Amino acid sequence: AQSVTQLGSHVSVSEGALVLLRCNYSSSVPPYLFWYVQYPNQGLQLLLKYTSAATLVKGINGFEAEFKKSETSFHLTKPSAHMSDAAEYFCAVSDQSGNQFYFGTGTSLTVIP
Amino acid sequence: EAGVAQSPRYKIIEKRQSVAFWCNPISGHATLYWYQQILGQGPKLLIQFQNNGVVDDSQLPKDRFSAERLKGVDSTLKIQPAKLEDSAVYLCASSSLSGGSSPLHFGNGTRLTVT
Repeated sequence: AQSVTQLGSHVSVSEGALVLLRCNYSSSVPPYLFWYVQYPNQGLQLLLKYTSAATLVKGINGFEAEFKKSETSFHLTKPSAHMSDAAEYFCAVSDQSGNQFYFGTGTSLTVIP
Repeated sequence: EAGVAQSPRYKIIEKRQSVAFWCNPISGHATLYWYQQILGQGPKLLIQFQNNGVVDDSQLPKDRFSAERLKGVDSTLKIQPAKLEDSAVYLCASSSLSGGSSPLHFGNGTRLTVT
């Protein structure tokens, strides 16, 4: 069975600082990996996805993530945090068939002015 | 393209009452999902449809929850009778392909409060 672990339920960064949100997956075969963002009272919005092409994936709003098979990780980064980045971020994994789509427990990002 | 539509946005009911949520996926999306998101947690899959057939309902509490997607388009999720622990946001999502690389597109959810 697939699973994802997000280390750190709360992360605070200063405006302009590097954002690093951690995600590790558990899978016996290379999975598909996704990052979603959720703003208050809204649904989840896709930031980026890894589907076995390039290991460094660029997404919307300046975010990117790197797939590292040796570390079973898919950490999300952004070089410079903006106040508008404050939200809940979810890592998700899907298997090859698409019949299993699992979300992590989420990381709440706070950006300090 | 129009996104995933859900209604109502908010619902407050008393325990033991029944409630229904409606979802209209993105046009042409064959796969539809219902997730339950309890405050502070990640979404938990309740049921997945492929067209009008159920792919996975292993985590649906079938004694009180039911869902249908009769014509392979819109879907309803019902809870009867509701319990206090059903208070959550119910998210509907759809995807275009059955393969695992297709991202999910989410609606804004229905926030249910059971008192």
